[in-house]
Amino acid sequence: DIQMTQSPSSVAASVGDRVIITCRASQGISSWLAWYQQKPGKAPKLLIFAASILLSGVPSRFSGSGFGTDFTLTISSLQPEDFATYYCQQADSFPYTFGQGTKLEIK
Amino acid sequence: QVQLVESGGGVVQPGGSLRLSCAASGFTFSASGMHWVRQAPGKGLEWVAFIRFDGSNEYYADSVKGRFTISRDNSNNTLYFQMNSLRPEDTAVYWCARGDGYNEMGGQGTLVTVSS
Repeated sequence: DIQMTQSPSSVAASVGDRVIITCRASQGISSWLAWYQQKPGKAPKLLIFAASILLSGVPSRFSGSGFGTDFTLTISSLQPEDFATYYCQQADSFPYTFGQGTKLEIK
Repeated sequence: QVQLVESGGGVVQPGGSLRLSCAASGFTFSASGMHWVRQAPGKGLEWVAFIRFDGSNEYYADSVKGRFTISRDNSNNTLYFQMNSLRPEDTAVYWCARGDGYNEMGGQGTLVTVSS
């Protein structure tokens, strides 16, 4: 199975900050990577698929990049509603696997 | 607008069974691959199963293989998840999701609690 490792596991930031979350796959997955945002008690929300394609309606301050084994999720200017937990997921081969999550907290 | 409504969760004893359902609307269900994803209390997300749009192939996480079965009824836009031989570690919120190359979830999920 492909292992997905996110870093950091948690990060504290302020409104207006730029935040970068990284995700590394244990083997190459081309661009088969998705990013999700989850708030407490809610279903995960798909933000980005195919490494860099923003789902319709997702604010443009979110962006994704990467190919192969190394990927990043960037939030260019944090807004109060962005404080949540973020997960990456590989969709290159079954079983699909998620990273362990990155909790983004208010500084 | 994609709508996914999960149901069928509840409290069950170890070794018991449950059948989850997911009613889909707002997209062409019969053309979409479908998944189940779960989250144990206080833990991260775990992908558990996938079925192709036409039901021709199924894939499972090792943790549920041989115990759980995903199926679908394209005439009624409904996804199912038959869960047998349940274990305490299966306790989680279960979501259905659509997508090929991603998991687009949208429902509230259904809570499965396995406890004696």
